[in-house]
Amino acid sequence: NAGVTQTPKFRVLKTGQSMTLLCAQDMNHEYMYWYRQDPGMGLRLIHYSVGEGTTAKGEVPDGYNVSRLKKQNFLLGLESAAPSQTSVYFCASSRDIDYEQYFGPGTRLTVT
Amino acid sequence: GENVEQHPSTLSVQEGDSAVIKCTYSDSASNYFPWYKQELGKRPQLIIDIRSNVGEKKDQRIAVTLNKTAKHFSLHITETQPEDSAVYFCAAITNSGGSNYKLTFGKGTLLTVNP
Repeated sequence: NAGVTQTPKFRVLKTGQSMTLLCAQDMNHEYMYWYRQDPGMGLRLIHYSVGEGTTAKGEVPDGYNVSRLKKQNFLLGLESAAPSQTSVYFCASSRDIDYEQYFGPGTRLTVT
Repeated sequence: GENVEQHPSTLSVQEGDSAVIKCTYSDSASNYFPWYKQELGKRPQLIIDIRSNVGEKKDQRIAVTLNKTAKHFSLHITETQPEDSAVYFCAAITNSGGSNYKLTFGKGTLLTVNP
């Protein structure tokens, strides 16, 4: 099993450009999450999904959109990237809200 | 909103000493409290968790205690080793309204174990 995978691993964007980060899991988990990690700020939840076709806002959702068209995939979109979105993005999945979250390897995004 | 406070932000110990990291939470309905370890450049990984129906849980050198009345929980690492050096995150389930439950993380503790 691959667990949780993320693509791409690194990306550099110019301000105003758009991109989509892909997360995939092969554990048949219902819950999937997108976090951003900045120095000294811990892990902050951007959006999450409690099942196929559902999405919900987390702590810092502004500037991001998500979609969960298939149970195994959770996409994070940036429509118009800003320097403030420079961060490391982690995807995670879990069987339920009170079970272990399995994290992907992360995507390092730089917006210039 | 609901939050999780974690202290200290950095902790330096000598190899063989014990390390304690503390977290407080505000949502009295929280019932699940995991701890994650993140080594430099790696992804966070669960090391131990505790549910509200128990007060303490132990796994070899790692233990977690929970005080629901005071709304705080702690991670205890005994006989620390250099490979314990990492950032540790506590977390708690919080409810931001209705059935909107999510896991909220503390800001992390950088633990350094000096040989």
